[in-house]
Amino acid sequence: EPEVTQTPSHQVTQMGQEVILRCVPISNHLYFYWYRQILGQKVEFLVSFYNNEISEKSEIFDDQFSVERPDGSNFTLKIRSTKLEDSAMYFCASSETSGAYNEQFFGPGTRLTVL
Amino acid sequence: GENVEQHPSTLSVQEGDSAVIKCTYSDSASNYFPWYKQELGKRPQLIIDIRSNVGEKKDQRIAVTLNKTAKHFSLHITETQPEDSAVYFCAATWSGGFKTIFGAGTRLFVKA
Repeated sequence: EPEVTQTPSHQVTQMGQEVILRCVPISNHLYFYWYRQILGQKVEFLVSFYNNEISEKSEIFDDQFSVERPDGSNFTLKIRSTKLEDSAMYFCASSETSGAYNEQFFGPGTRLTVL
Repeated sequence: GENVEQHPSTLSVQEGDSAVIKCTYSDSASNYFPWYKQELGKRPQLIIDIRSNVGEKKDQRIAVTLNKTAKHFSLHITETQPEDSAVYFCAATWSGGFKTIFGAGTRLFVKA
């Protein structure tokens, strides 16, 4: 069964550094998402992406964040100038459609630790 | 803004008993309500979902109900087993499916 994959599984960085988290969505999916989960807390929506542009973003997704689909398979989240509070698990997800048939498949996550 | 409230935060049941988790959502424009199970250190996995044109859906020991008027939806697990122990998240989707808001989660413990 096809799965969403993410790399790296764990990223440690110094405060102020830039990080890029990578995701490979399921191949026939058209909608892509990033979520964040601070340890022990709920899953928080960051951004959705369709047709090479952002469809929706949350208030968390400020100028520090950006997303890109650099080629036909990868979907990346860039965090510029990381802060301590950016430490969290970041999940990528993808879905074939949106709206009422919006089953999203999650990747295994990247644990980001900012020191 | 959009919000999903989930209760209880922790639920402990004996094996074989039923478990019920309840959620409410704020925006009547939401149209899709998935439930995810997350085991420790793992990704959220969809266990059941319900669309706004349906009042109830069942899949073996799991059922979900939706009351659109009251903006409530609930997860029911019958004949609970120790392997049901996990954190369960309800969610609601807005804006044509581009934004999904999760509840705070319910940590379910099933005691053998």
